[in-house]
Amino acid sequence: SQQGEEDPQALSIQEGENATMNCSYKTSINNLQWYRQNSGRGLVHLILIRSNEREKHSGRLRVTLDTSKKSSSLLITASRAADTASYFCATEEGSQGNLIFGKGTKLSVKP
Amino acid sequence: DAGITQSPRHKVTETGTPVTLRCHQTENHRYMYWYRQDPGHGLRLIHYSYGVKDTDKGEVSDGYSVSRSKTEDFLLTLESATSSQTSVYFCASTGTGGEAFFGQGTRLTVV
Repeated sequence: SQQGEEDPQALSIQEGENATMNCSYKTSINNLQWYRQNSGRGLVHLILIRSNEREKHSGRLRVTLDTSKKSSSLLITASRAADTASYFCATEEGSQGNLIFGKGTKLSVKP
Repeated sequence: DAGITQSPRHKVTETGTPVTLRCHQTENHRYMYWYRQDPGHGLRLIHYSYGVKDTDKGEVSDGYSVSRSKTEDFLLTLESATSSQTSVYFCASTGTGGEAFFGQGTRLTVV
């Protein structure tokens, strides 16, 4: 079964607000990654956090990882209409690079 | 964008026919993946490869086979296409950093 489960499934906010998405997973991981997918396109990597890290920043993105709770969150600050997309978490597990995705959160940012 | 291309981009085929999708990467990445994306399911892993001639099954491998005879090419074959295999197929590759690069997807319709 799928490793990561994002929450919420859909999120609608106004431009300028912050967006928070959560991801829960089931087994031990090497790292956790977040991806964005614009409609009809392939996925684009946003940020990777390793299992021994607790927080990571990249521009307007902030990712946290709590391995004791097997959960991660992605915060997008000061959202823009261009942030409208689906966001997926992915976990890498095992020694052979098995990369498993969740079902995604659909974010809509209204101008 | 990393050099990863899928072909064909669109295909319509009849039930019972074999179909092969091709993924080509120019990054010399060790790991390659095939996913299918369906509404409500996110991305589900079909097969992955951790080196030339080294492949393993993912979550939804029934009815699919793969081959990797060269580092740059990863082929996905539907042995006998069924309507349930109508989907958007994505190929991805990862290098040592763990970040996955995705192709643009192949929209397959089985009629």
